[in-house]
Amino acid sequence: DAKTTQPNSMESNEEEPVHLPCNHSTISGTDYIHWYRQLPSQGPEYVIHGLTSNVNNRMASLAIAEDRKSSTLILHRATLRDAAVYYCILRESSTPLVFGKGTRLSVIA
Amino acid sequence: EPEVTQTPSHQVTQMGQEVILRCVPISNHLYFYWYRQILGQKVEFLVSFYNNEISEKSEIFDDQFSVERPDGSNFTLKIRSTKLEDSAMYFCASRPTGGPTDTQYFGPGTRLTVL
Repeated sequence: DAKTTQPNSMESNEEEPVHLPCNHSTISGTDYIHWYRQLPSQGPEYVIHGLTSNVNNRMASLAIAEDRKSSTLILHRATLRDAAVYYCILRESSTPLVFGKGTRLSVIA
Repeated sequence: EPEVTQTPSHQVTQMGQEVILRCVPISNHLYFYWYRQILGQKVEFLVSFYNNEISEKSEIFDDQFSVERPDGSNFTLKIRSTKLEDSAMYFCASRPTGGPTDTQYFGPGTRLTVL
């Protein structure tokens, strides 16, 4: 699996938008970009995924650079419940997820 | 919404003892996984299971580990002779099909403590 690079930690104020970056300069043409998050003391949870176009769902938006070498997960209004470790994962096929260290997001009330 | 369940939530065992961790994947899913997370470290893949056999395993998944789907609903991870370094959170996951866009659904985990 191609490697991703994420900041170790980020901080946001409650009800503010959060942009979580991910660099994946060695991404291949068939790699999908997946985001998962892990709330404290819980298992990982799917957030969103995309290939080339920007994607929106009820949890977040995913903005993918035109060259696909980076992407940004956008939480439109951070809540205390969004405090978690966010993982950006590239996936080509049915292979298992390969988790990095992710970005620990802290949300301040 | 369907969810993956795991039991027990916390298991304490003595070194050298056998443990069985249990998971009930989402009912129409076909692919099953075990991951583990040592405290403060990354989530690591252990094994994947499809069509009643192991489809992939990591270097961590040595002869001390085995998996089974005994009755079409449960999915178990057995550690034959536990070591101190097996202490970790163990997460079960399932997914409906094998495509690259598939979502994996994770259970809440079992915390294994080996004394």
